[in-house]
Amino acid sequence: KNEVEQSPQNLTAQEGEFITINCSYSVGISALHWLQQHPGGGIVSLFMLSSGKKKHGRLIATINIQEKHSSLHITASHPRDSAVYICAPMEYGNKLVFGAGTILRVKS
Amino acid sequence: NAGVTQTPKFQVLKTGQSMTLQCAQDMNHEYMSWYRQDPGMGLRLIHYSVGAGITDQGEVPNGYNVSRSTTEDFPLRLLSAAPSQTSVYFCASSYSGDSAEAFFGQGTRLTVV
Repeated sequence: KNEVEQSPQNLTAQEGEFITINCSYSVGISALHWLQQHPGGGIVSLFMLSSGKKKHGRLIATINIQEKHSSLHITASHPRDSAVYICAPMEYGNKLVFGAGTILRVKS
Repeated sequence: NAGVTQTPKFQVLKTGQSMTLQCAQDMNHEYMSWYRQDPGMGLRLIHYSVGAGITDQGEVPNGYNVSRSTTEDFPLRLLSAAPSQTSVYFCASSYSGDSAEAFFGQGTRLTVV
């Protein structure tokens, strides 16, 4: 069983739609990253959170430590949001474990 | 602020050749790590270091060596490249301690023919 499960694996949305990507994990963690990777590009950390909710512009991330679950929401999605989104819980001792990623395509 | 810098961005090697992937960070981070990213596999930890002079193996260390002589640099060495090492490699760094944000390099796309 994978330590980190992301869903969905693939997601196609129309511009303007509200998008949710879910992440469940089985390991004990100190924090969780949501990462973004554009095709052929590097990896950028969107959020690091250890409790509650964080918001950056149109992006919102939530985490429930007790239920070992996190979600990434994109409001008013735009084609430039098309990317791979990766959930990466951080174990104690700084080690990251990674989900397989969600491939998001937003059509105009 | 340069952040995490990886070189080269692209590399083609012949089977059996050796090379070093460079990773440098200017944030005085104690923790540095190397990952490989393969289609359908996600990112997997190769080696990591919690400080200068200290390194340890990750999930997929075979075929790779690392050293950490300074806080800033964490090179990854392929001693005898194999086609199975064709992948995209990412270096990352963070402060030690819980809830430390990780910063990633831009990646190195390596092809072994």
